[in-house]
Amino acid sequence: AQSVTQLGSHVSVSEGALVLLRCNYSSSVPPYLFWYVQYPNQGLQLLLKYTTGATLVKGINGFEAEFKKSETSFHLTKPSAHMSDAAEYFCAVSGSGNFNKFYFGSGTKLNVKP
Amino acid sequence: DTGVSQDPRHKITKRGQNVTFRCDPISEHNRLYWYRQTLGQGPEFLTYFQNEAQLEKSRLLSDRFSAERPKGSFSTLEIQRTEQGDSAMYLCASSQTGGDYGYTFGSGTRLTVV
Repeated sequence: AQSVTQLGSHVSVSEGALVLLRCNYSSSVPPYLFWYVQYPNQGLQLLLKYTTGATLVKGINGFEAEFKKSETSFHLTKPSAHMSDAAEYFCAVSGSGNFNKFYFGSGTKLNVKP
Repeated sequence: DTGVSQDPRHKITKRGQNVTFRCDPISEHNRLYWYRQTLGQGPEFLTYFQNEAQLEKSRLLSDRFSAERPKGSFSTLEIQRTEQGDSAMYLCASSQTGGDYGYTFGSGTRLTVV
């Protein structure tokens, strides 16, 4: 079985500051890991994903995440926050089997202060 | 390709009424998923189709819920005898075969049961 824990339901940073959103997962099989962003009243947009290969993955809008198997973590970072980054972010895990049902964390709302 | 389309975007209904939502996936995607998202939570899996076959249903999907995907194209999700607890955002997503593809989500249908 898979599950995701996102530490911090709300994170607030100043514009230009580092963004760090935490995600820990549990999985009984090699995981596929994803970060999605959701703007108000919108669906979810894929930011980045880890499946195999390089453990540091880069996504859209300057975000990146590192898969650390020993820590069962997949934290999302961005060196410099922009006002447009204010949104809710969801980490998700799926098994690497043929059926990729996703398990989502409860989300982290990012607030960016001017 | 216009992405995943969901209709309607918003639905307000009285308790006890039936509602139906539609999802049009990306045309070359053979997998289609329905998720439900309540306030402050991440999306929760409801059901999954590969082509026209419904391969898995969550225990969240009570007998009042039914989903179809005739001819493996668009899908409908019907809720009979709606209850206030059904109020949520209903998200549709599609993907290609293979677990390493992220989902593409639609913008969702927000259901309010009054």
